[in-house]
Amino acid sequence: ILNVEQSPQSLHVQEGDSTNFTCSFPSSNFYALHWYRWETAKSPEALFVMTLNGDEKKKGRISATLNTKEGYSYLYIKGSQPEDSATYLCASTGTYKYIFGTGTRLKVLA
Amino acid sequence: DTGVSQDPRHKITKRGQNVTFRCDPISEHNRLYWYRQTLGQGPEFLTYFQNEAQLEKSRLLSDRFSAERPKGSFSTLEIQRTEQGDSAMYLCASSFAGTSGRSTDTQYFGPGTRLTVL
Repeated sequence: ILNVEQSPQSLHVQEGDSTNFTCSFPSSNFYALHWYRWETAKSPEALFVMTLNGDEKKKGRISATLNTKEGYSYLYIKGSQPEDSATYLCASTGTYKYIFGTGTRLKVLA
Repeated sequence: DTGVSQDPRHKITKRGQNVTFRCDPISEHNRLYWYRQTLGQGPEFLTYFQNEAQLEKSRLLSDRFSAERPKGSFSTLEIQRTEQGDSAMYLCASSFAGTSGRSTDTQYFGPGTRLTVL
């Protein structure tokens, strides 16, 4: 993997469903993996930063895991709510420069 | 509001005109970054400052683009002789980087300036 890739590009889920997205990144020269949530007309909001293989972070109904050996991270949302509708971006960093994926656009239907 | 702010939020201009955007970072942050996001893509790095020094410029930043951070606080991004391909969302972010080596360096983003070149 040469670039940061996210899948799926977009998805619609029903309120109450749980969902997850994938971020794949180059495992060489890796330092940290960041997740952001970006709602329309707002600033991207930092969710998590992870550095160590096997890291797991949780914030309310949202959690993330990191596998640096194989170069992927999962973001999970449990019991999705309409306010979770946003674009979820991941970014890999070697030092200071972020390399972003194209994002996963989530729409939670009430 | 102590977050990153950007001005203007939207700018519509005609091809060939010059535009300037402003970013006010979080006050204690010493690093400031500019990114550009085009439709269907993630944000792409343009340049970054450590205090007032511009330490790196992406190859995406053509000669028509210039960025400054004169006093190590706010920053401006100017685009001269705009082209339709410059239409994008321009994002600014700031972070605090310590002197003891690499940090997790979480970047905090502003809401962006959406540029439309007609």
